[in-house]
Amino acid sequence: AQRVTQPEKLLSVFKGAPVELKCNYSYSGSPELFWYVQYSRQRLQLLLRHISRESIKGFTADLNKGETSFHLKKPFAQEEDSAMYYCALSGYSSASKIIFGSGTRLSIRP
Amino acid sequence: EADIYQTPRYLVIGTGKKITLECSQTMGHDKMYWYQQDPGMELHLIHYSYGVNSTEKGDLSSESTVSRIRTEHFPLTLESARPSHTSQYLCASSELTGVGGYTFGSGTRLTVV
Repeated sequence: AQRVTQPEKLLSVFKGAPVELKCNYSYSGSPELFWYVQYSRQRLQLLLRHISRESIKGFTADLNKGETSFHLKKPFAQEEDSAMYYCALSGYSSASKIIFGSGTRLSIRP
Repeated sequence: EADIYQTPRYLVIGTGKKITLECSQTMGHDKMYWYQQDPGMELHLIHYSYGVNSTEKGDLSSESTVSRIRTEHFPLTLESARPSHTSQYLCASSELTGVGGYTFGSGTRLTVV
């Protein structure tokens, strides 16, 4: 079954501490992986894609095909990182739809 | 600037009323989607479309209906609103393969009283 699992509903860390948001997936094939972010009172927006290999706002995500994981990391958390984060995947065919995880709320404590 | 627009932003309506939530995009995207999301919770796909005259039901059963008469327009209609329909409705669009990611609108927060 195609599925995205985010095991933590809430993650709370202190400002300046490292952050790791976990994401595991199951998919028959090689999907494209995404992280989306939703800040308070703002629209859901794409944070980064695996294929782009970008670092956005200090966040990076490494695809581990052996562990089928795509964890989101940042070495030093900032208060403005507090938001809801969704991991997602998509196949490459035109029939594919993005499958979203249930989301993790990241709270950065001052 | 290319974007996706949803109106209204907020809607409070009485039980039994018919409502239409508007969604338009100037992204030039083929595919469009409607999601239902309670604040800070999971996203549930309720409808999607591959293009003009194409509509499909999503993973979450919904009493709403959609139409896609024009590429840029994907309205969602509730014939008879009920309190259980109270939620946030998000519209999104993407290129045909979806691997470029989705662009989301700002959402419509619907309250049925």
